[in-house]
Amino acid sequence: DTGVSQDPRHKITKRGQNVTFRCDPISEHNRLYWYRQTLGQGPEFLTYFQNEAQLEKSRLLSDRFSAERPKGSFSTLEIQRTEQGDSAMYLCASSRSGRANNEQFFGPGTRLTVL
Amino acid sequence: AQSVTQLDSQVPVFEEAPVELRCNYSSSVSVYLFWYVQYPNQGLQLLLKYLSGSTLVESINGFEAEFNKSQTSFHLRKPSVHISDTAEYFCAVTPMDSSYKLIFGSGTRLLVRP
Repeated sequence: DTGVSQDPRHKITKRGQNVTFRCDPISEHNRLYWYRQTLGQGPEFLTYFQNEAQLEKSRLLSDRFSAERPKGSFSTLEIQRTEQGDSAMYLCASSRSGRANNEQFFGPGTRLTVL
Repeated sequence: AQSVTQLDSQVPVFEEAPVELRCNYSSSVSVYLFWYVQYPNQGLQLLLKYLSGSTLVESINGFEAEFNKSQTSFHLRKPSVHISDTAEYFCAVTPMDSSYKLIFGSGTRLLVRP
């Protein structure tokens, strides 16, 4: 069990730059979730995929954010024209087929700092 | 919509003392309930969950939580804490009829002192 992996673990960028994060879920998991966690808060849901289909997006996900899961395996989260308010920990999680009682396994996160 | 409230941002406690971390939720539909733990410099891990059946659920490391539907609460307890229990604890719910996204509380930092 290799777990959920995320790359990079840390990213520092200047305001206005584009950044892309990658998430590799546990191999047999067909559900993949993105969350964002700011300091002192719990994670907030951003979006999720069932295989390659993006089925739900939070209103937190502005048009500067885009997520893909092209082959139903790894996923990418891109933020265009970053703003200081985008600074946060971006968490990825995966789970088996769509049942609420299936545990979501979380990756270590990507910490984004926008200067 | 759902929301989760963890009123205590930090709970300091001495080693071997009992502890209770409070969690209340609001939802117009039935939900499943979870406690996640985040140890320093580690990712979120599931501690325990309530899906149905007995309202008291237990974890392998001595924590337990009780679902109280009338009070919409899911408080986490441990009769005797260890230094190694120092971590951030998050209560979360997921609506039964939805995407199974997790809605988290703001977290409670448990600080166990010797």
